[in-house]
Amino acid sequence: DAGVTQSPTHLIKTRGQQVTLRCSPKSGHDTVSWYQQALGQGPQFIFQYYEEEERQRGNFPDRFSGHQFPNYSSELNVNALLLGDSALYLCASSRQQISGNTIYFGEGSWLTVV
Amino acid sequence: QQPVQSPQAVILREGEDAVINCSSSKALYSVHWYRQKHGEAPVFLMILLKGGEQKGHEKISASFNEKKQQSSLYLTASQLSYSGTYFCGTELIFGNEKLTFGTGTRLTIIP
Repeated sequence: DAGVTQSPTHLIKTRGQQVTLRCSPKSGHDTVSWYQQALGQGPQFIFQYYEEEERQRGNFPDRFSGHQFPNYSSELNVNALLLGDSALYLCASSRQQISGNTIYFGEGSWLTVV
Repeated sequence: QQPVQSPQAVILREGEDAVINCSSSKALYSVHWYRQKHGEAPVFLMILLKGGEQKGHEKISASFNEKKQQSSLYLTASQLSYSGTYFCGTELIFGNEKLTFGTGTRLTIIP
């Protein structure tokens, strides 16, 4: 049973460019959330997708956008990259359950903006 | 709104015990515990739902005090593999599936 998979693993972009990160959720999961983790910090919630729509959003600017496809996979897009966007981007998948919504994380995509 | 973890860092010798605390100023539905090793993704340890249920997983267990909105993670007879940064993630509403993470506790186990 494959877990949460993300691509690419590492990438370097120039300030002002755009980036797309991809995520495939764990089998059986229908909700995908994206988090940003800066060095030495805990993950920060960016947004969440369910049934191909953005269900909730954290305190991130509109430069951060996303998409969920019919197969539940998801993309995170960041436009007009800033140096401060350098971070580990984590995709998390889950499925609502009465016993508690276990949330699993992928290995992450390391983004460096230069 | 971010939960507060304590201590920020702890160093243990192999075989010693540790307790990591996570406190929230908001009423919680659940608390999720993760361990993250350097350069890797957070790995799920356990979830505690409101109701004060204590859970165990090998030598790692946790409790959730609903009255205090506080959760504690207990590591007994620590092993070298327990090293890493521990994060608690809090969920405010059932079905929300959104976690607000604490500041993290860095645990170092030495032989």
